[in-house]
Amino acid sequence: GAVVSQHPSRVICKSGTSVKIECRSLDFQATTMFWYRQFPKQSLMLMATSNEGSKATYEQGVEKDKFLINHASLTLSTLTVTSAHPEDSSFYICSASPANQPQHFGDGTRLSIL
Amino acid sequence: DQQVKQNSPSLSVQEGRISILNCDYTNSMFDYFLWYKKYPAEGPTFLISISSIKDKNEDGRFTVFLNKSAKHLSLHIVPSQPGDSAVYFCAARGTSGTYKYIFGTGTRLKVLA
Repeated sequence: GAVVSQHPSRVICKSGTSVKIECRSLDFQATTMFWYRQFPKQSLMLMATSNEGSKATYEQGVEKDKFLINHASLTLSTLTVTSAHPEDSSFYICSASPANQPQHFGDGTRLSIL
Repeated sequence: DQQVKQNSPSLSVQEGRISILNCDYTNSMFDYFLWYKKYPAEGPTFLISISSIKDKNEDGRFTVFLNKSAKHLSLHIVPSQPGDSAVYFCAARGTSGTYKYIFGTGTRLKVLA
């Protein structure tokens, strides 16, 4: 079946550091990928839609300069959390859809900012 | 404003019995609904879905029911197995032409052996 790979699975870093998270579709091409964020015991909240070859579409309240998204190829989207602070600590997860199929999710990245 | 709600944060069921997980939504424009299952430290895994033109979809032990007039859907798992213990999220897709999902807050199911 369709596989979405996310890397790294866990990041611990100091405040002020920028962190890049990769999302790859391993056996299909994805013109669109999605980035979510999940706080403990809460829902997966869509942050942005990553569009191959064009700018990402951000949801209301998500700072595009804070969360930089690049979708340079049909199999890779990256999310960079710039100048991360403790309040950015969260579980970040990406998804992508093979044609006419439900979204498939990566295993997520646990980001902890000290 | 939470457009997709799962009002039960947790549910415990005996092995072999039926598990019923519920989900309510507010937007009548949603046209496609899904259930995902999530284990700790893993991404959600797709379980089953239903289009708004149907009221029931069945796949093995899993059945999803949709009541559009009540804006309610439910997932039935029968018989429940210990391996079904996980967090279950319902999701709704926005208006046709978009592919964004809106998720509920999840229900933690525990199947007791």
